Amino acid sequence: QLVLTQSPSASASLGASVKLTCTLSSGHSSFVIAWHQQQPDKGPRYLMRLNSDGSHIKGDGIPDRFSGSSSGAERYLTISSLQSEDEADYYCQTWGAGIWVFGGGTKLTVL
Amino acid sequence: EVQLVESGGGLVQPGGSLRLSCAASGFTFNTYNMNWVRQAPGKGLEWISYISSSSSTIYYADSVKGRFTISRDKAENSLYLQMHSLRDEDTGVYYCARTHSDSSRLFDYWGQGTLVTVSS
Repeated sequence: QLVLTQSPSASASLGASVKLTCTLSSGHSSFVIAWHQQQPDKGPRYLMRLNSDGSHIKGDGIPDRFSGSSSGAERYLTISSLQSEDEADYYCQTWGAGIWVFGGGTKLTVL
Repeated sequence: EVQLVESGGGLVQPGGSLRLSCAASGFTFNTYNMNWVRQAPGKGLEWISYISSSSSTIYYADSVKGRFTISRDKAENSLYLQMHSLRDEDTGVYYCARTHSDSSRLFDYWGQGTLVTVSS
């Protein structure tokens, strides 16, 4: 079964960096994922597509502070030079055999 | 600029029906696959339906299969979701989302959402 697992919460200080993790279920370690950001009371925003080799393609207007990387079944989103507007929920997404799956989301708090 | 604007949400009683719309602009609508995703209050994102650019391929999540119908109108540049037999657990914000034009089938643009409340 295709499942994406994310930690429910993360926190980091203003100006620091944070690395969020999305883990693909067993047998799906080669899958491509997307990262999406959802700020409070807004619709989601596409951040990037992230391949299994760590290469990634960002969406329109996404700052250089956002980057992606991969290791095995893990997909990472790194946000550097954290700003207050980065406080949001972050979701990973993948697709397989006619279903689309989202991780449970990570709520990022900027201290 | 790509824009997706949902409408049609509101309060409906359990067992009732509702039709959501998503008006697309800023891109060639009839060349993109589209989706509906919902979010229950305080919860995460749940994909519920996909329709290909030609409407030839449609998928539904098990949670809505047999009750919801996705469709699109090329002339109106619009995506629709007809919802029947609504339940309390269908309450949430409904988003339309565009599928990326690459091979990933992941979503690259989202609307702002429309709220559906199922309650007596």
